[in-house]
Amino acid sequence: GAVVSQHPSWVICKSGTSVKIECRSLDFQATTMFWYRQFPKQSLMLMATSNEGSKATYEQGVEKDKFLINHASLTLSTLTVTSAHPEDSSFYICSADNRDLSNYGYTFGSGTRLTVV
Amino acid sequence: GQQLNQSPQSMFIQEGEDVSMNCTSSSIFNTWLWYKQDPGEGPVLLIALYKAGELTSNGRLTAQFGITRKDSFLNISASIPSDVGIYFCAGGTASKLTFGTGTRLQVTL
Repeated sequence: GAVVSQHPSWVICKSGTSVKIECRSLDFQATTMFWYRQFPKQSLMLMATSNEGSKATYEQGVEKDKFLINHASLTLSTLTVTSAHPEDSSFYICSADNRDLSNYGYTFGSGTRLTVV
Repeated sequence: GQQLNQSPQSMFIQEGEDVSMNCTSSSIFNTWLWYKQDPGEGPVLLIALYKAGELTSNGRLTAQFGITRKDSFLNISASIPSDVGIYFCAGGTASKLTFGTGTRLQVTL
């Protein structure tokens, strides 16, 4: 149990276009999901907390108008990178809060590698 | 954003050796978690620690939640080639996780 699916696993886009990444909890409901960004050989940095039915909470320094988050249902959160630029190229990972399940923790998706050319 | 200090940054060990890594923070956390990340994948939970002083094992892995709630260590006994990867600690509060800087483990035969 506690599977999180992330799609797509990789995407290449042109500079100036927008890209949408989906994060789904497959076998549980998650009122809270998280979006992280990971640059090569670095750690995961939390970008924002996605709350079902309400606005996302962004970490300091993360542009909310550039990284649009929508959490319209208890099993789906989306991250849209708007007007992408090469410096947005990174590994984006979502996680879902499943602390009400038997195993404490946050289950992570398999990540999306974004390359902006 | 805040990161937890994790050491060592990387290590090369021989198969069969024991491994130890630790994580320290200036902040107190309610929980400590240890994850392993393989290339191109998301982190996978190894061990979760819920209270100060707790010592928990999962197979060849043992982790402890520091008594001050500001640190944790992870030990891997009798390492095998599939232990290769990046290990991250994460401190948990009521609302989110903060990740450590990571320890890259490489195992030689």
